[in-house]
Amino acid sequence: GENVEQHPSTLSVQEGDSAVIKCTYSDSASNYFPWYKQELGKRPQLIIDIRSNVGEKKDQRIAVTLNKTAKHFSLHITETQPEDSAVYFCAANHYGGSQGNLIFGKGTKLSVKP
Amino acid sequence: NAGVTQTPKFQVLKTGQSMTLQCAQDMNHNSMYWYRQDPGMGLRLIYYSASEGTTDKGEVPNGYNVSRLNKREFSLRLESAAPSQTSVYFCASSFPQSGTRIGGELFFGEGSRLTVL
Repeated sequence: GENVEQHPSTLSVQEGDSAVIKCTYSDSASNYFPWYKQELGKRPQLIIDIRSNVGEKKDQRIAVTLNKTAKHFSLHITETQPEDSAVYFCAANHYGGSQGNLIFGKGTKLSVKP
Repeated sequence: NAGVTQTPKFQVLKTGQSMTLQCAQDMNHNSMYWYRQDPGMGLRLIYYSASEGTTDKGEVPNGYNVSRLNKREFSLRLESAAPSQTSVYFCASSFPQSGTRIGGELFFGEGSRLTVL
């Protein structure tokens, strides 16, 4: 089945710096790669996603890149702010039988120091 | 529009007791899911239901059962709770991208924190 590896597990940056979180996946059939942000004590929420027919997608200070050949994708956050502090999860879809589901990485705890 | 609502928010059980976590969504989504979240383990899929009337096992189904009661409701049952089932449980729903392919945004409930002593 699909396996999603996420690195690093923790990341600490100074406010204003950039942060990069990387994920690799194993199932070459996966074609949907979302990123979720979970603030402390809250539910995960989608912040950006990318499909396999594009290599990069941006939304203001966040961007995601996808390399299908290497089977890895990354989240880039520029000009980090304290409110970016949270746990970030990458995921990839996996098709089992006639249905699919998301397999999540183990998460990256991002701390942005003012 | 409440989104995804799950109950209870907190529960303490003794080993061997049973309980049901309830989940309901009002977004007319076809697909519903139950995940568990443990420290350092991310979100692991327990069971999912791609549409009303169907359920499938995820990564960690052992010790759990589910029921898709109707399009809105998807419950998770622990028949004989074990300490290893201490976790935060999230229900989620989504509207599949096309046909049976699941690729839409997951909307999560607030979570249910379960402790098994």
